[in-house]
Amino acid sequence: AQSVTQLDSQVPVFEEAPVELRCNYSSSVSVYLFWYVQYPNQGLQLLLKYLSGSTLVKGINGFEAEFNKSQTSFHLRKPSVHISDTAEYFCAVSEGAEKLVFGKGTKLTVNP
Amino acid sequence: DTGVSQDPRHKITKRGQNVTFRCDPISEHNRLYWYRQTLGQGPEFLTYFQNEAQLEKSRLLSDRFSAERPKGSFSTLEIQRTEQGDSAMYLCASSGNYEQYFGPGTRLTVT
Repeated sequence: AQSVTQLDSQVPVFEEAPVELRCNYSSSVSVYLFWYVQYPNQGLQLLLKYLSGSTLVKGINGFEAEFNKSQTSFHLRKPSVHISDTAEYFCAVSEGAEKLVFGKGTKLTVNP
Repeated sequence: DTGVSQDPRHKITKRGQNVTFRCDPISEHNRLYWYRQTLGQGPEFLTYFQNEAQLEKSRLLSDRFSAERPKGSFSTLEIQRTEQGDSAMYLCASSGNYEQYFGPGTRLTVT
């Protein structure tokens, strides 16, 4: 069975600082990996995805993530955050065109 | 905008009542998914359709829950005899390939 662990439930940072949100997954087969962002009382917006190929994937809003198969990780990074990046971020895994299994989320708070 | 839409956005109901939610996917997407999200948690899978066929149902989907996608386009999720534990955000997503695109969700409050 697949599972996703987001190691930090809350991450506070100052504006313009770099940030890394950590995600580890477990699966017995090859997986597809995703990061979504959720603003209060809204649905989820896809930030980026890893399906195959280059292990460094770039997404919207300046975010990027690196797939590390040996460490079963897919950490999300941004070199310089803005106040508007304050939101909840979810890492998810799937084994194909099937259901997504989500982590519990990381609340990113960007302070001025 | 041709994103995923959900109706209603908010629903308040009394315990024991039936409720129905609708999801309209992105038009060219053949897969449609339902998830439930409670406070402080990530979304949890409920069920999914490929065209009109319901291919998988989670154990979370008790007998009081039923979902349909009669013509392979929009989908409905019905909850019968609602309980306070059903209070949650119900999210719909659609997919044409491997990535899923989510609607804004329906927030259900059972009083």
